[in-house]
Amino acid sequence: DAGVIQSPRHEVTEMGQEVTLRCKPISGHNSLFWYRQTMMRGLELLIYFNNNVPIDDSGMPEDRFSAKMPNASFSTLKIQPSEPRDSAVYFCASSFRRGSADTQYFGPGTRLTVL
Amino acid sequence: TQLLEQSPQFLSIQEGENLTVYCNSSSVFSSLQWYRQEPGEGPVLLVTVVTGGEVKKLKRLTFQFGDARKDSSLHITAAQPGDTGLYLCAGGPRNNQGGKLIFGQGTELSVKP
Repeated sequence: DAGVIQSPRHEVTEMGQEVTLRCKPISGHNSLFWYRQTMMRGLELLIYFNNNVPIDDSGMPEDRFSAKMPNASFSTLKIQPSEPRDSAVYFCASSFRRGSADTQYFGPGTRLTVL
Repeated sequence: TQLLEQSPQFLSIQEGENLTVYCNSSSVFSSLQWYRQEPGEGPVLLVTVVTGGEVKKLKRLTFQFGDARKDSSLHITAAQPGDTGLYLCAGGPRNNQGGKLIFGQGTELSVKP
């Protein structure tokens, strides 16, 4: 079975450019999470969706970040305009929401470098 | 704000040694999970504990959830180079909103042959 799919795996861009990260969750999962990981701050939850509806976006750093989930099989995280401090590995994870101890399945991540 | 603090942050040991990683909080969690992450990959779930005092074993790994559900530990017996990686604890908040997890900062383990 395919796991969580993320694209691109690596992205190098210049400051000020728009960046779009993509995620395809595991089929049948109803929750999707976007995380950012850096050495300094560890793994930070940015936003998550239940049944395609954003539940909590309090982790989104600023208005430059936005996320959408138009359907159950696709989500995007957009950064516009990008800044060097946005450089990090961005993970998407999905789960089947059933209780208080759901397993989250992570994608391989997108390594973003903003020059 | 619920936080999870892991210690130590870095651990470098020789093959065959034992080690313990700690995950502590001042808050109560409904569940506690441990994930392991290898370079270039996403975290992968190792275990979930949900009951205070619960102990689970996975081969050479032993996981314990504190009685008060505020802390957890991971003990590895006779560590092997294949255990090298980043270990993350993650807690489910008591008023769990939609399956959200709060992650600790992680413990970077290096096991040298």
